[in-house]
Amino acid sequence: DAKTTQPNSMESNEEEPVHLPCNHSTISGTDYIHWYRQLPSQGPEYVIHGLTSNVNNRMASLAIAEDRKSSTLILHRATLRDAAVYYCILRDLRNTGNQFYFGTGTSLTVIP
Amino acid sequence: DAGVIQSPRHEVTEMGQEVTLRCKPISGHNSLFWYRQTMMRGLELLIYFNNNVPIDDSGMPEDRFSAKMPNASFSTLKIQPSEPRDSAVYFCASSDRVLNTEAFFGQGTRLTVV
Repeated sequence: DAKTTQPNSMESNEEEPVHLPCNHSTISGTDYIHWYRQLPSQGPEYVIHGLTSNVNNRMASLAIAEDRKSSTLILHRATLRDAAVYYCILRDLRNTGNQFYFGTGTSLTVIP
Repeated sequence: DAGVIQSPRHEVTEMGQEVTLRCKPISGHNSLFWYRQTMMRGLELLIYFNNNVPIDDSGMPEDRFSAKMPNASFSTLKIQPSEPRDSAVYFCASSDRVLNTEAFFGQGTRLTVV
């Protein structure tokens, strides 16, 4: 399965925008880019996903490079509640196996 | 819907005992995943079911681990015999593959084997 690379940790000031990068240079044409986050002592939760075009939802925005080899999760105004581990995952939903594998993720610290 | 429900939330058992973890996926979802999370290894996919059939169990550590999904609304992960290195948080997740949407995770079961 295609791998993703993320920085181990990042810091952001509260109410500032946060850009979380992810590299996926071996992405295939049918891989969707998914982002999940895991708050302390909770299970992972879905944030956003996309294929080729940039995506927006109430939680975040996803910017996908034109060659799809990298993407950036954008939190427009970080809050203390956004402190979590953020995972970038590639998921091929068009084939039989739609399982997905978590990497090490980026631990986001939000500074008040 | 109440989301993915896992039980128990916490389990403490002695080495050598059998442990059974339970999961009720979201109604209508046809994919179910079991994950294990430790500090050392992060989140590991153990097994994946589609329409109650195990599709990929390559992540199951060894024969002491087994998983079943007798129907669309229930799955179990069994460890027999349990060992201290099995101590971890075990998560169950479900998704609707047809709709190509996100997976929903349960709150997890924290297992401690002493």
